[in-house]
Amino acid sequence: EAGVAQSPRYKIIEKRQSVAFWCNPISGHATLYWYQQILGQGPKLLIQFQNNGVVDDSQLPKDRFSAERLKGVDSTLKIQPAKLEDSAVYLCASSLRDISYEQYFGPGTRLTVT
Amino acid sequence: GENVEQHPSTLSVQEGDSAVIKCTYSDSASNYFPWYKQELGKGPQLIIDIRSNVGEKKDQRIAVTLNKTAKHFSLHITETQPEDSAVYFCAASKPQISNFGNEKLTFGTGTRLTIIP
Repeated sequence: EAGVAQSPRYKIIEKRQSVAFWCNPISGHATLYWYQQILGQGPKLLIQFQNNGVVDDSQLPKDRFSAERLKGVDSTLKIQPAKLEDSAVYLCASSLRDISYEQYFGPGTRLTVT
Repeated sequence: GENVEQHPSTLSVQEGDSAVIKCTYSDSASNYFPWYKQELGKGPQLIIDIRSNVGEKKDQRIAVTLNKTAKHFSLHITETQPEDSAVYFCAASKPQISNFGNEKLTFGTGTRLTIIP
């Protein structure tokens, strides 16, 4: 089966600019996650969708980050305006149902904010 | 919230030897403990997981043990091979209070494992 697809793979922007990341989960997976992974750290959940609805966005900096999941399939994560500390790898993952089911991760988007 | 500590941060072992990575968690309600392997330029990949109703689980050269009393769990890799070189993350989550399923995973800080040929 096809894995989780993400684009772009790399992005370099200046601070205060905006950026968007796209994710296509594995077909049939109800749950989609966006994680932020800062260099040398483990992934940190930003937002979790179950179908169209948001399950957990408690760690999403809502003043600058937003995310949506269209028709319960693809998802986009946006940052506006970007800060230097947003430099990280943004990982998308999907699972058949909830957290206790295996999560399949995409390759990530490496964001550099200068 | 949940806090997961992972040790060591780096580990080098000779090919063929065993490697052990240890994690501790803070929330006694946590009941799901996966381990992920992340290779350079790739997303994490689940290699094994354990739930709180068992103390040990094994899959070929990989095993995980869980001590609920001490709130720690460990990853054991035997007969290590060069392809085992990667960063390994432990994680933990607990059941949701109001719904079925679990809350978000809290990850450890990772262990960079290097297998020396």
